[in-house]
Amino acid sequence: GENVEQHPSTLSVQEGDSAVIKCTYSDSASNYFPWYKQELGKGPQLIIDIRSNVGEKKDQRIAVTLNKTAKHFSLHITETQPEDSAVYFCAASGGSSNTGKLIFGQGTTLQVKP
Amino acid sequence: GAGVSQTPSNKVTEKGKYVELRCDPISGHTALYWYRQSLGQGPEFLIYFQGTGAADDSGLPNDRFFAVRPEGSVSTLKIQRTERGDSAVYLCASSRGQGEAQYFGPGTRLLVL
Repeated sequence: GENVEQHPSTLSVQEGDSAVIKCTYSDSASNYFPWYKQELGKGPQLIIDIRSNVGEKKDQRIAVTLNKTAKHFSLHITETQPEDSAVYFCAASGGSSNTGKLIFGQGTTLQVKP
Repeated sequence: GAGVSQTPSNKVTEKGKYVELRCDPISGHTALYWYRQSLGQGPEFLIYFQGTGAADDSGLPNDRFFAVRPEGSVSTLKIQRTERGDSAVYLCASSRGQGEAQYFGPGTRLLVL
């Protein structure tokens, strides 16, 4: 089945700097890749997603890139702010099982220092 | 509009007891997913409903776990003979359809003593 690896597990940046989180997936049939932000005690919040027919997508300070050949995708946050501090999860779906179930990475704890 | 809601927000029970966790999806969303999240881990898939039917229950860990969605809206996750290892946050997500963006509820934090 699908396996998603996420790095780094923790990331600390200064306010205003950029942050990059990377994920790799194993099932070449996967075609949908969302990113979620999870704050303490809350459910995951969808922040951006990308489908396999697109190489890059941007929404204000957040962007996601996808390399289908290498089977990896990345989240880029520019001009980080303290409120960006949270746990971020990547996920993949649409693989061989094709039920839409999401396979998540292990998460990255992002700390933005003011 | 209203998001996904889950009740209760917290549940403490004793080993061996039966529990029910409820999920109210976003209105009009036909797809509903249950996930389980252990501390420090990403959510893990349990079961997927398309309408009233369980289209994929491959993530249910054993036959103590069961879920229903009788009218294609609200879903209930049922756990029999709870074990301490069942302690986790149970998350529900809904989407307009299979393969569409999934929106999560706040979760139910289950603690089995």
